[in-house]
Order: sequence, then C-alpha cells, then structure tokens
Amino acid sequence: GQNIDQPTEMTATEGAIVQINCTYQTSGFNGLFWYQQHAGEAPTFLSYNVLDGLEEKGRFSSFLSRSKGYSYLLLKELQMKDSASYLCAAMDSNYQLIWGAGTKLIIKP
Amino acid sequence: DAMVIQNPRYQVTQFGKPVTLSCSQTLNHNVMYWYQQKSSQAPKLLFHYYDKDFNNEADTPDNFQSRRPNTSFCFLDIRSPGLGDAAMYLCATSTGASGANVLTFGAGSRLTVL
Repeated sequence: GQNIDQPTEMTATEGAIVQINCTYQTSGFNGLFWYQQHAGEAPTFLSYNVLDGLEEKGRFSSFLSRSKGYSYLLLKELQMKDSASYLCAAMDSNYQLIWGAGTKLIIKP
Repeated sequence: DAMVIQNPRYQVTQFGKPVTLSCSQTLNHNVMYWYQQKSSQAPKLLFHYYDKDFNNEADTPDNFQSRRPNTSFCFLDIRSPGLGDAAMYLCATSTGASGANVLTFGAGSRLTVL
C-alpha cells in the first residue's frame, strides 16, 4: 500500500533550527510536496522536490532522497508564526497525492 | 487577487439535513478538488474534476455528491449528514499539469453536525 510517515508533533525554540522528517512509500514517484497549515486554516504550498538534493527557499529548505524514500523540511531562525502543522505529500505514478497526517510544530519563546 | 473562495466558512446543520458547500476560483485552473480533513488527520480526497470529467474516489460514500456547472464553480452536496461527517472541507485547484502540480486551497468550510 501507499504510505507517508512523519512525526506527530515536535517542539522547538524561537530562533533555533528544526528538521521535520518524512518517509514515503508510493507506487511510482512524481515528486514530494511540503505544505504549511496553521490551525483552522487551509494548507499553503511550501516546496516541491522531484530530484535528489536540497532546495533552499529563504528560511525553509527541503531535501529529497528518492533511493531512501525520504525527505525533510528544514526551518531556520524559527519564529513564533512558524507554529503550524507541516504536511508531507508524495505524488504517485498516477499523479495522485498521498498525504501524511502532518507534523504539529510548537515553537516556544 | 486570483484566489479560491469557499462559502460558507462555518456551517452548522442537523443530523440528516442536506448541506451544500460552494467553491469558486478565479485562477482559471482545470482541476478542482474536494478534500475532507478531520482534526490532526491527513486531507482525504473525496473527488476531483479535470475540466468536466468527474473522478470519484473509490471509498467516497454515496452520501457525498459534487457538481461543477462551469470552470469557476464547484459544489459539494452532503445529502444526509451524519455525526461522522463533521470536518473541515477543503476545496483546492490546480492546473493539472504533470510534475509540480501545486494545489491552491480555499480557506475551508468547517461543518458541524448536531
């Protein structure tokens, strides 16, 4: 079956760095997405990786290893507004998105 | 600004009383999706339209129906809501292009069933 695994919850300190991991198992692979979702709001797009390596976008970076079925989202210089759930989603061979349940990130002062 | 708009943002209904949720988009995207999301769970795809082609997920209950009268609008009808249907309903759109098919979500409609 197709599956996404990511930690349920993580806690970090304002100004620090945090890495949110995601492992996936899909029938074929057409890319890995990260979305941010604040409580009670809709997900918003953060990043897309289809090739191995690190993609940097400001304070946020996303990494992909296709051979390991693994991705991570790296958040630097954490701000209180980064408190949110981070959803990992992999696209399978039929271009269907397989979603994880999200990692709730709690930022403490 | 181009966007995806959902109405109503909050809907309270009684057990068994039909509900219609609406979604409109100004992005001129080909694909429109309806997701159900319960607290701390992954979004669950109910169905999607590629233009006028309707695609129903195999495990979407018959209680859920959808209409897309034109490119801009899509509706979710819940014919007889049960307590288990209380959730956030998210509409999303995309170009449908292969590869980086980024979804743009509306703000969601939160359904409460009494």
